[in-house]
Amino acid sequence: EDKVVQSPLSLVVHEGDTVTLNCSYEVTNFRSLLWYKQEKKAPTFLFMLTSSGIEKKSGRLSSILDKKELFSILNITATQTGDSAVYLCAVYTGTASKLTFGTGTRLQVTL
Amino acid sequence: ETGVTQSPTHLIKTRGQQVTLRCSSQSGHNTVSWYQQALGQGPQFIFQYYREEENGRGNFPPRFSGLQFPNYSSELNVNALELDDSALYLCASSLEPTGELFFGEGSRLTVL
Repeated sequence: EDKVVQSPLSLVVHEGDTVTLNCSYEVTNFRSLLWYKQEKKAPTFLFMLTSSGIEKKSGRLSSILDKKELFSILNITATQTGDSAVYLCAVYTGTASKLTFGTGTRLQVTL
Repeated sequence: ETGVTQSPTHLIKTRGQQVTLRCSSQSGHNTVSWYQQALGQGPQFIFQYYREEENGRGNFPPRFSGLQFPNYSSELNVNALELDDSALYLCASSLEPTGELFFGEGSRLTVL
């Protein structure tokens, strides 16, 4: 069965800190890995990664995929209170149309 | 805002009842996926519809069923509700079956 594991489960940081969120996966027939941010209800799309070693950036957020070691990281620099949310990692596999999600990392940024 | 709308936003049902949840996809998207998210968990895939046909199904019993209409909007039906069906039900649309998903705000179902 496909599995996506995120760590840590939760963390609290001070505004301005840099954080790294981890996502490892054990799946058959990997296609792509996606990161989402969930603040209240609707997860919002951050990144889709398909190739190893190519960093994707959007402002203070960046992400990279390692298909050999089967993991991805999401970095957030100079964190702000608005970054407080649950960050979800998900993987598309094979010919299936489903995304397998991890349980998420809950990030709280304090003043 | 993703342009994906769901209704109702909240509802309360009792065990054994039936429920229908609705979703309007983002303009131009022909694929709709449904996910169930229990408290403190990641979303779990229920099924996907692509051009009005079911295009994949997760580990959910047959009492979970769906439809997609010619305008690509969709319904999720759940029969014989159980307490464990209490969750946030998320609908997401995409340009293609394995594209990035754009989620709606969800329908929170409570089964008493």
